[in-house]
Amino acid sequence: EAGVAQSPRYKIIEKRQSVAFWCNPISGHATLYWYQQILGQGPKLLIQFQNNGVVDDSQLPKDRFSAERLKGVDSTLKIQPAKLEDSAVYLCASSSTSGSTDTQYFGPGTRLTVL
Amino acid sequence: AQSVAQPEDQVNVAEGNPLTVKCTYSVSGNPYLFWYVQYPNRGLQFLLKYITGDNLVKGSYGFEAEFNKSQTSFHLKKPSALVSDSALYFCAVTPRGQAGTALIFGKGTTLSVSS
Repeated sequence: EAGVAQSPRYKIIEKRQSVAFWCNPISGHATLYWYQQILGQGPKLLIQFQNNGVVDDSQLPKDRFSAERLKGVDSTLKIQPAKLEDSAVYLCASSSTSGSTDTQYFGPGTRLTVL
Repeated sequence: AQSVAQPEDQVNVAEGNPLTVKCTYSVSGNPYLFWYVQYPNRGLQFLLKYITGDNLVKGSYGFEAEFNKSQTSFHLKKPSALVSDSALYFCAVTPRGQAGTALIFGKGTTLSVSS
């Protein structure tokens, strides 16, 4: 079974530029999460999708971050404009349903450096 | 607020010795608890989870964890450490009373196993 795929793996941009990350979850997984992991900290949720609907985006900085999952499969996370403090690893995870007991499976992440 | 604490930034152990990585939690209601491991430049890998039932949970790669409700702890253990176990370990909990089911992570503990 293929795991969660993410691209690109690394991205370096200047502040105020825009950037987009892509995630393809495990086949058949209805729930998709985007987490932000800042160096030295645990991952923190940005947004959760159930199929193509948003379940929780309470921690997403909506003035600069946006995300979509149009067909209920792949997802894109965008930052525009980027700030220095956005430097982090962006992790995508998926689970088969939205149950609290479901295991979330993580992709390799995208490491973003904002200069 | 619901939270997870990993009191040790780093744990050092000699190969062949038992290891323990500590985790305590603060959640309302009955918790669902998880352990993940992260190797350099890779995403999080699922190790084990506690949902209900037996307080001793067995997981991947010989790891196990003991749920202790009275002490609100979920320590990760392994009887005999391997050098290849050296990595960053995260404890996580599923929150209650929120719209989504995203995990709340501790800050992580670096495990270093020496030969």
